[in-house]
Formats: sequence, C-alpha cells, structure tokens
Amino acid sequence: QKEVEQDPGPLSVPEGAIVSLNCTYSNSAFQYFMWYRQYSRKGPELLMYTYSSGNKEDGRFTAQVDKSSKYISLFIRDSQPSDSATYLCAMSAPGGAQKLVFGQGTRLTINP
Amino acid sequence: DGGITQSPKYLFRKEGQNVTLSCEQNLNHDAMYWYRQDPGQGLRLIYYSQIVNDFQKGDIAEGYSVSREKKESFPLTVTSAQKNPTAFYLCASSMGTSTRETQYFGPGTRLLVL
Repeated sequence: QKEVEQDPGPLSVPEGAIVSLNCTYSNSAFQYFMWYRQYSRKGPELLMYTYSSGNKEDGRFTAQVDKSSKYISLFIRDSQPSDSATYLCAMSAPGGAQKLVFGQGTRLTINP
Repeated sequence: DGGITQSPKYLFRKEGQNVTLSCEQNLNHDAMYWYRQDPGQGLRLIYYSQIVNDFQKGDIAEGYSVSREKKESFPLTVTSAQKNPTAFYLCASSMGTSTRETQYFGPGTRLLVL
C-alpha cells in the first residue's frame, strides 16, 4: 500500500464548476500538507500549504486537512480552463531531513 | 529573477552512456533535491543535499550519482547502471532543511533513451 493515495483521474468538469480533489494517507506522522499544480511538461508549482488540521483559503482555492481521517482535499471554486493541469498532493513529517511524499497526481480538465 | 534552472530541456542517452543533468538555483537555498517523475507514479526522490559537499540517497538512488560542490549547483548523473532511465527529471530546492520548508521546482529535463 502506498503511503499517499490519489485518484489519477482523469477528471473533466465544465467551466464554473466546483472541483474537489482528494488524497488519503497512512502515515499519522505527516504534519505538513501541500498541493502543487503542474502544467503539461512543466515543473510543479506550489499552490497551497497547510500545517496540521484545518482549512486554508486563497482566492478560489481552499485546502482542507482532516488528520483524524487521514484525508486532505483541495477545492477549486468557479473553475476556469486555465485550471486544467495535474494536481499533486504532497506531505511530510517533522524531524529529520525533509522528504516529501507525493500522490500520483490527478489530471484535471476544465471544459469551456 | 530568482529561480531554478535545469538544462537541457530534452536529453537523449545511448545505451551504456552516462549523461549529466544540470540544476542551478539563485535563491540562496541550502537544500536541493532530485526527483524522477513517471506517468502514473507521482514524484520519487532520487537524492537530496542539505549542505555543500554532503548528500543523501533518496528512495530510488540506484543508477544515479550527484555532487554538491557549490551551494547553487546540484548536477545529477544518470549512469549506464540505470536500466530504465526514460523519465521526467525534476530538481527542487528549499531555503532550509526543516520538513516544514517549502520546496520549489525547476522546469524539468525529459530524458529519452535512443
């Protein structure tokens, strides 16, 4: 079983829809949770960063962490065609060298 | 502009050949990382370095080697011992070495085998 599970999709939704992307994990030591956006043939760019449990909002994006369920989510409101990309969740545990563990990535397409 | 540069964008390797991927950052970051990305498998850590002249193996280090002679540079060599090198290679850096530090990625190098 992988430490981080993420549905690879693909996920296709109409423009303006609310998108929900999710990851589950098995390591209860994870404390730092990130979402990266990766456009085709480009490097990932950090979208959201959350420490421990709770919600964080940045414009149209909301990240949620539920440590009791070992489940994290990224919501995109009023989705735009420019949001079409692969979204990667990543997480790390405190202590020692920084090692990010990534999900497989979910490929998202927003249709005009 | 501060950032991470990787070169070349595309690289072709012949059988039995060693090839080196370049990674340079001008962010004054202490830590640097190399990842491999294959379709459907996410990113996997090859090597990382927290300080000049020191580096550690990641999860899939076999067939790869690195050096960290300068703070801003962290080249990756894909040796002939790596039997399946075709992948997208990503370099990243972070300001510190704490696990709470954010990693920033370069644009990547796509390696193909001839």
